Amino acid sequence: SQELEQSPQSLIVQEGKNLTINCTSSKTLYGLYWYKQKYGEGLIFLMMLQKGGEEKSHEKITAKLDEKKQQSSLHITASQPSHAGIYLCGARSGGSNYKLTFGKGTLLTVNP
Amino acid sequence: DADVTQTPRNRITKTGKRIMLECSQTKGHDRMYWYRQDPGLGLRLIYYSFDVKDINKGEISDGYSVSRQAQAKFSLSLESAIPNQTALYFCATSDSGFTSNQPQHFGDGTRLSIL
Repeated sequence: SQELEQSPQSLIVQEGKNLTINCTSSKTLYGLYWYKQKYGEGLIFLMMLQKGGEEKSHEKITAKLDEKKQQSSLHITASQPSHAGIYLCGARSGGSNYKLTFGKGTLLTVNP
Repeated sequence: DADVTQTPRNRITKTGKRIMLECSQTKGHDRMYWYRQDPGLGLRLIYYSFDVKDINKGEISDGYSVSRQAQAKFSLSLESAIPNQTALYFCATSDSGFTSNQPQHFGDGTRLSIL
């Protein structure tokens, strides 16, 4: 079965700083999804990456899928307190199976 | 109104009780999922349904059952709750679409505590 490892597990940054979260898969990724979760709340879909080398941006958040399609990174530029939360990556491992496997998440704290 | 609504949002109950968590969606998606989230273990799939007549077990289905009453409704039952089923439960939906890479959309979760 596919496993996703996220690093770091937690991150504390000062407001205005840039940061990167990584998601590494044990198998080739056929679809990589980034979600954000506020404590005790639901997951909010951020972005989906499908092709090796693909890069997408939403406001100050950029996600990339590497060429070999086994790792994705999420980069936040000029972080703000509103970026705080848990970031999770989810992946589909291929075939006609639409189930997702999720990483354990990265807890981001942004200090004002 | 939320596209994916879970009820109740919080529930405290005793060991041995039967519990039903409900999920309804207005997104028109045909696929629905139930997950549980535990600290240190992440999200784990309990059951999933691709349409009303298609229900499948996920990785941790023991102790749970589901019912897909309609395209928009998918409920999760714990027939006899036990303390290690204490967790945050999420319902999610996705569209079949023309490609397989449709993202899943989540409800706000049900926090379930079993004493």
